[in-house]
Amino acid sequence: AQSVTQLDSQVPVFEEAPVELRCNYSSSVSVYLFWYVQYPNQGLQLLLKYLSGSTLVKSINGFEAEFNKSQTSFHLRKPSVHISDTAEYFCAVNNFNKFYFGSGTKLNVKP
Amino acid sequence: KAGVTQTPRYLIKTRGQQVTLSCSPISGHRSVSWYQQTPGQGLQFLFEYFSETQRNKGNFPGRFSGRQFSNSRSEMNVSTLELGDSALYLCASSTEGLAGPYEQYFGPGTRLTVT
Repeated sequence: AQSVTQLDSQVPVFEEAPVELRCNYSSSVSVYLFWYVQYPNQGLQLLLKYLSGSTLVKSINGFEAEFNKSQTSFHLRKPSVHISDTAEYFCAVNNFNKFYFGSGTKLNVKP
Repeated sequence: KAGVTQTPRYLIKTRGQQVTLSCSPISGHRSVSWYQQTPGQGLQFLFEYFSETQRNKGNFPGRFSGRQFSNSRSEMNVSTLELGDSALYLCASSTEGLAGPYEQYFGPGTRLTVT
């Protein structure tokens, strides 16, 4: 079975600093990759996705993630974070019609 | 399009009772999945329904069950509630692509508290 690992449970960072949230998955067999964001007391919202094509995918609010097949990784990055980016971020893999989620990374942006 | 809706948003039940949660997917989506989210266990997959059939199932006891109707709306039921069932229950719907479902769209969740 597929597994998704988010090594960092919490990431504190100052506003306007860069950030990277790490995600690794267990199988290099054809997968679809996603990042979701969850704000307090809300459901998960899709942030960005990789289905095929360019390995670098971007969201509308400045996040980007790069699919690295050889390292089975899909790390999420943002060059300059805002207070409003404070939330929990989940990496997910779709493999043979099943979704697998990581344990989540809480991003805490400090002023 | 309207998003995924879940009712009720909040629920308080007593141990031993049963509960039914409802989920209406995005129009046109035929796949509905359910997840349990707790601070300690994170997001755990319960089951997925597609065209009224359970297609995938997670590792939860038989007290957790679900069904899907012909209009793709789904319900999940938890019988003989335990304190440990207190959680945020999330429903997600997705489309079917040529190679399977793509992204999932999540509802706001139902916060269940068992006392």
